[in-house]
Amino acid sequence: DAGVIQSPRHEVTEMGQEVTLRCKPISGHNSLFWYRQTMMRGLELLIYFNNNVPIDDSGMPEDRFSAKMPNASFSTLKIQPSEPRDSAVYFCASSFSGTVNTEAFFGQGTRLTVV
Amino acid sequence: GENVEQHPSTLSVQEGDSAVIKCTYSDSASNYFPWYKQELGKRPQLIIDIRSNVGEKKDQRIAVTLNKTAKHFSLHITETQPEDSAVYFCAASSPTNAGKSTFGDGTTLTVKP
Repeated sequence: DAGVIQSPRHEVTEMGQEVTLRCKPISGHNSLFWYRQTMMRGLELLIYFNNNVPIDDSGMPEDRFSAKMPNASFSTLKIQPSEPRDSAVYFCASSFSGTVNTEAFFGQGTRLTVV
Repeated sequence: GENVEQHPSTLSVQEGDSAVIKCTYSDSASNYFPWYKQELGKRPQLIIDIRSNVGEKKDQRIAVTLNKTAKHFSLHITETQPEDSAVYFCAASSPTNAGKSTFGDGTTLTVKP
């Protein structure tokens, strides 16, 4: 398996534009996580899914953020409209969860810059 | 919900010395404790993990200890090398949370040559 795949790797956009980040989890994993990382706030969990169902979105900062997981192999994180304070590295991670949890595998991240 | 506290936030050691990072957790149901290393500009990656049925685990120069009664676990790195310089995150995971790991705030380790 190629691991967790995120796209794009880098995104530069103007304030007010819509941004869509994409993630392909590792095949067979049933949990998917979206994180945001900045120097000021560290690693923040935004939302996570289990078996394609959103479990906890309490970390999503505002209504401008939304996430979907239409099937087991794809998820998106959308920001509309984007603002300069959204600039960060966004990581997607996946893992297998059950009676025994396993490690989270992180994608390479998307570095988002909103100007 | 789970709360994980990690100390210290920064740690500087001389090459060859040992480094210890400590974490506490609050949810007694947590039974899986991974440690991740994040090098500058890269993704967090697992370096070692421990489950609640053991008290210690070693892998070459790194070891993790777990005290379930006190709800704390620690990462020990011996004979540190400059390439150990990175941010280290501890995490705790419960089987009731669909695989979610609660992360500590991270420790920035600097190993001086």
